[in-house]
Amino acid sequence: GAGVSQSPSNKVTEKGKDVELRCDPISGHTALYWYRQSLGQGLEFLIYFQGNSAPDKSGLPSDRFSAERTGGSVSTLTIQRTQQEDSAVYLCASSARRGTGVFFVGTEAFFGQGTRLTVV
Amino acid sequence: AQSVSQHNHHVILSEAASLELGCNYSYGGTVNLFWYVQYPGQHLQLLLKYFSGDPLVKGIKGFEAEFIKSKFSFNLRKPSVQWSDTAEYFCAVRDRDDKIIFGKGTRLHILP
Repeated sequence: GAGVSQSPSNKVTEKGKDVELRCDPISGHTALYWYRQSLGQGLEFLIYFQGNSAPDKSGLPSDRFSAERTGGSVSTLTIQRTQQEDSAVYLCASSARRGTGVFFVGTEAFFGQGTRLTVV
Repeated sequence: AQSVSQHNHHVILSEAASLELGCNYSYGGTVNLFWYVQYPGQHLQLLLKYFSGDPLVKGIKGFEAEFIKSKFSFNLRKPSVQWSDTAEYFCAVRDRDDKIIFGKGTRLHILP
């Protein structure tokens, strides 16, 4: 597609329910990133993928959070047993990489519009 | 692990004032550096980027940033701000592992 697409745009869920957030990156972008944005916290890194692999999951806040990416394209972020503190805007971004080794050049991250999650 | 520090959390300036927003990252090696801007109600967009070469980078809307490798810094500057520059500004670093880490952001408020 022309840009990074996220769905849904808004999600209101009851505490304790599971939610799935979807990200459709720019075609051909090998790297995909998930961030969480909440007031005063900036962009909190959650996880990123190179292809279908996730080299770094260190940002996932708890084991209730998981993510997968299939076919090197679409990614899903799942939050189980949602809590009120999970309320935030979840942002997805994708980027490409050119070159190897010390001469690598990565493009900037292109962001989707985000999913605003509200846990009530 | 790589981290990014933005020194100013909230900046208030009058129109035509000069702007400098600080950004430092924690360790070197080959990195790519970025500044993003988020206008009220909009999503993040790229302001400028540094990959290699001239350490003084020019971006959109009159913004520029200077990469100082010895100081691990990438400060954002604009000689004369406008009311329309009111937004939140984020510094980011991409390392060789392709992980992109953002700072906590600086809220800039320009008084008309």
